[in-house]
Amino acid sequence: QVQLQESGPGLVKPSETLSLTCTVSGSSISNYYWSWIRQPPGKRLEWIGYIYSSGSANYNPSLKSRVTISLDTFKKQFSLQLSSVTAADTAVYYCARLQGPTLAFAFDVWGQGTMVTVSS
Amino acid sequence: DIVLTQTPLSSPVTLGQPASISCRSSQSLLHSDGNTYLSWLQQRPGQPPRLLIYKISNRFSGVPDRFSGSGAGTDFTLKISRVEAEDVGVYYCTQATQLWTFGQGTKLEIK
Repeated sequence: QVQLQESGPGLVKPSETLSLTCTVSGSSISNYYWSWIRQPPGKRLEWIGYIYSSGSANYNPSLKSRVTISLDTFKKQFSLQLSSVTAADTAVYYCARLQGPTLAFAFDVWGQGTMVTVSS
Repeated sequence: DIVLTQTPLSSPVTLGQPASISCRSSQSLLHSDGNTYLSWLQQRPGQPPRLLIYKISNRFSGVPDRFSGSGAGTDFTLKISRVEAEDVGVYYCTQATQLWTFGQGTKLEIK
């Protein structure tokens, strides 16, 4: 059974960097796209970006200047860094596995999500 | 950005009755490769989203056959043939034709 688990601080100060890690179990890292998605309170889900198992990444243009997603294949973890955060970055953050063409680029496995609040 | 608009935002349904959710896209979701990358997610209370349908009408592994998807171009529909209590939650359409965006969600509740 494939499982994803997010970890990281639940509170981040404005202007600082939000850092989250997702640990993968029950799945190979290879040949998948590993993604971050968030949902601000009362708003729709927003795709943040992904990193492919080869290490290549793709980001939402609206966040690109502040986002870095990295991959540690040995630890089976991938991480999100979002810099210069503001209250608008307060959200539930999900990690998810993104399938390639075989599943039409759909998100087939999700972590439980972790709430991150930006506040001083 | 491709904007997905779902209707209704809330759908009270009687157990055993059908339900239908519409998803309209601001532009065609037909990709240049000939595929239409529209999928549906279900989010039960207190749970993360779960994949139900991919590429318009393909049920994901383990999804009951009372769920079906249809549509083309800019208009898509998720149907539940007979609503059960476990179907309560929020349903999202999502597209992968041009990066990824999501609908605003439709809350399915029991009357």
